Amino acid sequence: NAGVTQTPKFQVLKTGQSMTLQCAQDMNHEYMSWYRQDPGMGLRLIHYSVGAGITDQGEVPNGYNVSRSTTEDFPLRLLSAAPSQTSVYFCASTSGRWTSGRGELFFGEGSRLTVL
Amino acid sequence: AQKVTQAQTEISVVEKEDVTLDCVYETRDTTYYLFWYKQPPSGELVFLIRRNSFDEQNEISGRYSWNFQKSTSSFNFTITASQVVDSAVYFCALSEGDTGTASKLTFGTGTRLQVTL
Repeated sequence: NAGVTQTPKFQVLKTGQSMTLQCAQDMNHEYMSWYRQDPGMGLRLIHYSVGAGITDQGEVPNGYNVSRSTTEDFPLRLLSAAPSQTSVYFCASTSGRWTSGRGELFFGEGSRLTVL
Repeated sequence: AQKVTQAQTEISVVEKEDVTLDCVYETRDTTYYLFWYKQPPSGELVFLIRRNSFDEQNEISGRYSWNFQKSTSSFNFTITASQVVDSAVYFCALSEGDTGTASKLTFGTGTRLQVTL
């Protein structure tokens, strides 16, 4: 019953360092996405994917890269971390067929990133 | 562009009181989906409900009920006889259109509910 798995759960970076947040789902979902959560701002969409090989930008994509080489994995890359990227990051997935079924967007447990 | 407004930043109630969390949304699509998620202090996001735009029936699940009114673009959430375990941040969210946008939710800023004894 893994669902959506994010790693790492906590990470501290220095300004300018790079890192990748990993996201994997075992539900064969087509749709995956990354959100960031900041105090008082709810969750905001960074990037999303509608299938392997297809990605697009969300509301706040600057400073982040994504790729989707397999259905299961959707890593989020920070190429040169900045203090403004200090946040909690959530990966999510769904089958997308919301006309039937429970129609849930499944979230990972979150990754807390601090950039010094 | 889609937008979700949760005007109540924080609500405090005493256990056993009823409480309603407001959610107002904006969208130009005729097909859309509305969600409520709960985020307890532990930080995970717990799915509560999804409502389709073409289904205006209200829903009740135990102590939870949802009132969807397209005429006022609102999707309010009521907890009856609140309990301390209901203390959390609650998010309302909107997804426009059908397939292709299923992973694109617009969230409100959340309402923090504090239930005390």
